[in-house]
Amino acid sequence: QVQLQESGPGLVKPSETLSLTCTVSGGSISGQYWSWIRQPPGKELEYIGYIFHSGSTDYNPSLQSRVNISVDKAKNQFSLKLSSVSAVDTAVYYCARGGHGPLDYWGQGTLVTVSS
Amino acid sequence: DIQMTQSPSSLSASVGDRVTITCRASQSIVDYLNWYQQKPGKAPKLLIFAASSLQSGVPSRFSGSGSGTDFTLTISSLQPEDFATYSCQQTYSSPFTFGPGTKVDFK
Repeated sequence: QVQLQESGPGLVKPSETLSLTCTVSGGSISGQYWSWIRQPPGKELEYIGYIFHSGSTDYNPSLQSRVNISVDKAKNQFSLKLSSVSAVDTAVYYCARGGHGPLDYWGQGTLVTVSS
Repeated sequence: DIQMTQSPSSLSASVGDRVTITCRASQSIVDYLNWYQQKPGKAPKLLIFAASSLQSGVPSRFSGSGSGTDFTLTISSLQPEDFATYSCQQTYSSPFTFGPGTKVDFK
């Protein structure tokens, strides 16, 4: 059974960089697409981007100038960096398996609050 | 970006009811449409992919239909564990947008 777990700071200051890692267990990160999704409190889900195990990426154009997704196959992890954050980036951040297709396994989500 | 809309935004129903939720895309997405169920404080769960394919382990009371721009999720007989928010997502073209969700609660 594939399991995903997000980790990283729950509080980030405005203008700084949000950094999260997703650790995959129960399966290999190779040969799959991996995504980041976020959900601001009380709002709908928003696609951030995906990475293929080879390192190719796709980002939401609305975030493209600030986002970077990377993969560490040796650690079976992939990561999200979102720079120059502001209050509008406050959300529950989810990692999930899938990208150009359905998201079939999800992490439990982690709330990241942007505040000074 | 492809815009996804859902109707209704919320509905009240009873156990045993047949429930239908509609999702509409702003342009044709063929059948690149997925449905998710989300309960409060939990991650979304994939129910239906490719518009009508049931994800492994999902009860057969859930079904999906549609193609092009109009899609439907049907719960044939609502069960207590089905009270949740349901969202559609298109994976035809990036960014892979989600609908705003339909909340199903107790009548």
